[in-house]
Amino acid sequence: QSALTQPPSASGSPGQSVTISCTGTNSDVGGYNYVSWYQQHPGKAPKVMIHEVSKRPSGVPDRFSGSKSGNTASLTVSGLQAEDEADYYCSSYAGSNNWVFGGGTKLTVL
Amino acid sequence: QVQLQQSGPGLVKPSQTLSLTCAISGDSVSSNSAAWNWIRQSPSRGLEWLGRTYYRSKWYNDYAVSVKSRITINPDTSKNQFSLQLNSVTPEDTAVYFCAREGEGMGTAFDIWGQGTMVTVSS
Repeated sequence: QSALTQPPSASGSPGQSVTISCTGTNSDVGGYNYVSWYQQHPGKAPKVMIHEVSKRPSGVPDRFSGSKSGNTASLTVSGLQAEDEADYYCSSYAGSNNWVFGGGTKLTVL
Repeated sequence: QVQLQQSGPGLVKPSQTLSLTCAISGDSVSSNSAAWNWIRQSPSRGLEWLGRTYYRSKWYNDYAVSVKSRITINPDTSKNQFSLQLNSVTPEDTAVYFCAREGEGMGTAFDIWGQGTMVTVSS
């Protein structure tokens, strides 16, 4: 059982927006602005899409955005494209030099 | 361009030691602004952070509580790489193991990942 809770699946049609939630506690998501999101295609390593709640690394499309409210972080993918179909994982710093992950959300582009 | 290249056996017997290496190109294991991590992924446990090593005028290590009694992560400055050793493995340690960098300016995010190594614990 993962420390952070994500919905197992999400879906949307091309061009639509979809939001994936990530719920933790005051000891992780709610306690630090160190939430990151990762995209993982089958058989590949995860790729960071968002760091520090809402910052996009160079090269990540601005269709990807992140936010946080209390103990819940969210990843929004706007203007869905076929290549966005993947698994998405959230992660948070959890204090005492420890990191936790969510169980992952499978995003399907219909 | 920073790359991480993993190596090590894909099959380990129960009670033995799992050993993996992550070779770094384009950065230094002795960097004062990066940290070098091991993370694993399995269907039963999902993604699990295991530990890291980093240099800030001296070497530091942090380990996950779940494996703290069994894990060692060591830097090798002569080869610019770092390693993972996990002792007394059981079938529960079967997973894909990744090395990953926490890079400068990324907060605590893992910005560069190795290709992953599937490790099966079985006799």
